[in-house]
Amino acid sequence: IQLTQSPSLLSASVGDRVTITCRASQGISVYLAWYQQKLGKAPKLVIYSTSILQSGVPSRFSGTGSGTEFTLTISSLQPEDFATYYCQQLNSYPLTFGGGTKVEI
Amino acid sequence: QVQLVESGGGVVQPGGSLRLSCAASGFTFSHYGMQWVRQAPGKGLVWVAFIRFDGSSSFYADSVKGRFTISRDNSNNTLHLQMDSLTPEDTALYYCAKEVEAFGTRDALDVWGRGTMVTVSS
Repeated sequence: IQLTQSPSLLSASVGDRVTITCRASQGISVYLAWYQQKLGKAPKLVIYSTSILQSGVPSRFSGTGSGTEFTLTISSLQPEDFATYYCQQLNSYPLTFGGGTKVEI
Repeated sequence: QVQLVESGGGVVQPGGSLRLSCAASGFTFSHYGMQWVRQAPGKGLVWVAFIRFDGSSSFYADSVKGRFTISRDNSNNTLHLQMDSLTPEDTALYYCAKEVEAFGTRDALDVWGRGTMVTVSS
């Protein structure tokens, strides 16, 4: 299953509402996760099962979708949110990641 | 605290082998599925392999199937990745990661190690 993220690069400002899309080449039900990765660091789980917020993640992050189209939304971008975001499908093996979306200032 | 520490990376010639290890602590290792994920320098995340909590099943990315073997030692809280027939395309930082739920299926990864670098070059 191929995952296509868009955009690949997103330029935004602090306080902006931003949305990242992840499209699957076939239906994956709700088995999608989102990760945040900062430069030189391991990825951090943000959302799993499409919309469940990982413990400790701020509520400005939210996820929606089902089937083949999914979105990650940051309601009010904060300085610490500038990073690269990846989606991962967990519906069937081999598991796959999207190509990533870099959120920059 | 919950921790994963990878080791075993290094420089290896094409066609060579390496065995990566991931030492787990702070949680009941034998209750969780585990995955390996890699990232080539400056590139995105690539899923490599999964092993069930009890080691009874495993799955691989097409790019490594038949060359890599994931295994686990639940008595020593350790995950392994045996990598054979390495090519320059396998050059990457290799992360081990723990699944969110005990005995889960179709699970995301909530704890990651810092990674161990593998370089395949002559």
